Amino acid sequence: SAVISQKPSRDICQRGTSLTIQCQVDSQVTMMFWYRQQPGQSLTLIATANQGSEATYESGFVIDKFPISRPNLTFSTLTVSNMSPEDSSIYLCSGGQGANEQYFGPGTRLTVT
Amino acid sequence: GENVEQHPSTLSVQEGDSAVIKCTYSDSASNYFPWYKQELGKRPQLIIDIRSNVGEKKDQRIAVTLNKTAKHFSLHITETQPEDSAVYFCAASKRDEKLTFGTGTRLTIIP
Repeated sequence: SAVISQKPSRDICQRGTSLTIQCQVDSQVTMMFWYRQQPGQSLTLIATANQGSEATYESGFVIDKFPISRPNLTFSTLTVSNMSPEDSSIYLCSGGQGANEQYFGPGTRLTVT
Repeated sequence: GENVEQHPSTLSVQEGDSAVIKCTYSDSASNYFPWYKQELGKRPQLIIDIRSNVGEKKDQRIAVTLNKTAKHFSLHITETQPEDSAVYFCAASKRDEKLTFGTGTRLTIIP
């Protein structure tokens, strides 16, 4: 298994600003993902964070709004840019050693005012 | 792409009874099926998973069954306890690809 931490755990941001969320894994993982989860809802995949190359985004998510970095096999960041109240949500990262096992970070609760 | 349907959306079970949650998937090439438990305010936790070369897998009070022909898989929880109350998510994927999640089942154990 993998132990995943995220920073910050929560934040309140003003409209039009940007927030960068960090995701750290305690061991090297082959795959890392970023999700968004609204209260009471399922997990929506934002993108796959690819080590050393551009992230792969899901339909409805674009790089300009959610730039992602993954400089190595244990770390990734997600930036939520030019925020609006609609971006208020919980953002989670996940990572795994491959063959699909994915473990989640504790999430970042974002509120945009 | 893959589509995963999950039923029921809510389930209430008397403590000590069994609970069953069912999921169907659309892509016959999917070969990995995990189940996650998410308690209120917490992260999703992987509780059990099954791969397509296995029909059933058990871990204490939890079991998962897979029917590849019908493209459905189920989570079985026996002797339910109050701490089993949570939202459960199923998911499906092909090897080393992204997970597609179901919509979740809110399980409530009635003392």
